[in-house]
Amino acid sequence: AQKVTQAQTEISVVEKEDVTLDCVYETRDTTYYLFWYKQPPSGELVFLIRRNSFDEQNEISGRYSWNFQKSTSSFNFTITASQVVDSAVYFCALSGPRGSARQLTFGSGTQLTVLP
Amino acid sequence: DAGVIQSPRHEVTEMGQEVTLRCKPISGHDYLFWYRQTMMRGLELLIYFNNNVPIDDSGMPEDRFSAKMPNASFSTLKIQPSEPRDSAVYFCASRRGGTGSDEQFFGPGTRLTVL
Repeated sequence: AQKVTQAQTEISVVEKEDVTLDCVYETRDTTYYLFWYKQPPSGELVFLIRRNSFDEQNEISGRYSWNFQKSTSSFNFTITASQVVDSAVYFCALSGPRGSARQLTFGSGTQLTVLP
Repeated sequence: DAGVIQSPRHEVTEMGQEVTLRCKPISGHDYLFWYRQTMMRGLELLIYFNNNVPIDDSGMPEDRFSAKMPNASFSTLKIQPSEPRDSAVYFCASRRGGTGSDEQFFGPGTRLTVL
């Protein structure tokens, strides 16, 4: 069975602070995919990143960066110099290997509030 | 390209009524997923289709829920009879099959309120 744990239910930071959202996963698959989605107050789910289990290189996209560590089954997400517009619920998700349906198992989400 | 389209965006109904939620996936996508989001249970998969065929409906909560996909461009999720505990946001998502992108694209969701 797959499981995703986001232990941080809510985080509040002041604008321009850096913030890291934690994600720990469990899976028996040897290959798998990890995702982060953003859900702003408007409610839609916005795809941020996909990472496959073969690629442990960290990735940076603007103010966003992701740290994938297979040894600790973690896929953490850092926002640098946070902005008020970053306020949202962030979900980490896990899917199975290529060839499967790769339905997503979501974590419970982390509510990030960035204060001006 | 149009994204995943869901209708209605909001639905308010009374307990016992039939509710039908609709989804139009992105053209060319082979997989369609229905998810439900509640405060208590978070985002959970209800059912998914591959090439219009239901593959796994183990997430469907009970027999009051049913889903169909009569063709590649349309799916419905029906609740009959509806109950207050069915109040949630229902998301539809789709993605390509094969070796294409495995990113799931989500619709805007349908917020269902059962009184």
